Amino acid sequence: KAGVTQTPRYLIKTRGQQVTLSCSPISGHRSVSWYQQTPGQGLQFLFEYFSETQRNKGNFPGRFSGRQFSNSRSEMNVSTLELGDSALYLCASSGTGQGPYEQYFGPGTRLTVT
Amino acid sequence: GENVEQHPSTLSVQEGDSAVIKCTYSDSASNYFPWYKQELGKRPQLIIDIRSNVGEKKDQRIAVTLNKTAKHFSLHITETQPEDSAVYFCAALNSGNTPLVFGKGTRLSVIA
Repeated sequence: KAGVTQTPRYLIKTRGQQVTLSCSPISGHRSVSWYQQTPGQGLQFLFEYFSETQRNKGNFPGRFSGRQFSNSRSEMNVSTLELGDSALYLCASSGTGQGPYEQYFGPGTRLTVT
Repeated sequence: GENVEQHPSTLSVQEGDSAVIKCTYSDSASNYFPWYKQELGKRPQLIIDIRSNVGEKKDQRIAVTLNKTAKHFSLHITETQPEDSAVYFCAALNSGNTPLVFGKGTRLSVIA
């Protein structure tokens, strides 16, 4: 099976702009979670989607949003970008939703805000 | 909600020695504890996991132990090799549809 893929891999934006990141899960997986990774802060949970519904949400401002499509692909959007949003954004997919279950990560999108 | 503490934040060992990374969790209902390895510039990779009905699990040179009473779990790497150098993350999850919560990571350096 193909692994989790993310596009784009690298992105440079300026403050105030918005950005959309995409994640394609492993075939058959129904859950997609998003994480922000910054040096020293580890992996901070953004949100999780399961069967097109947001199932969990982390402690991020409303500028961060996401959605999931019927084919389980997911997108996250960040509006009004700030310098502090520069980070590696990782998505992870997992299976049937009958937890607990293994999560598999994509390669990430490196976002730089200038 | 769940909180996961991981120690140490950095660890240096000589090649061939053992390395131990420890994590504690706060939610007694957590029942799944994976460990991820992230090499520089790469994605986190699941290397081993344990469920709450098991006390120990081994896979070649790596093992994980779980103490539910004390709410802590540990990763043990024996006969370390330079390719074990990476950042290791522990995590905990309560299968009641809550998200996976990660520790802040341990940077392991294996010195040849």
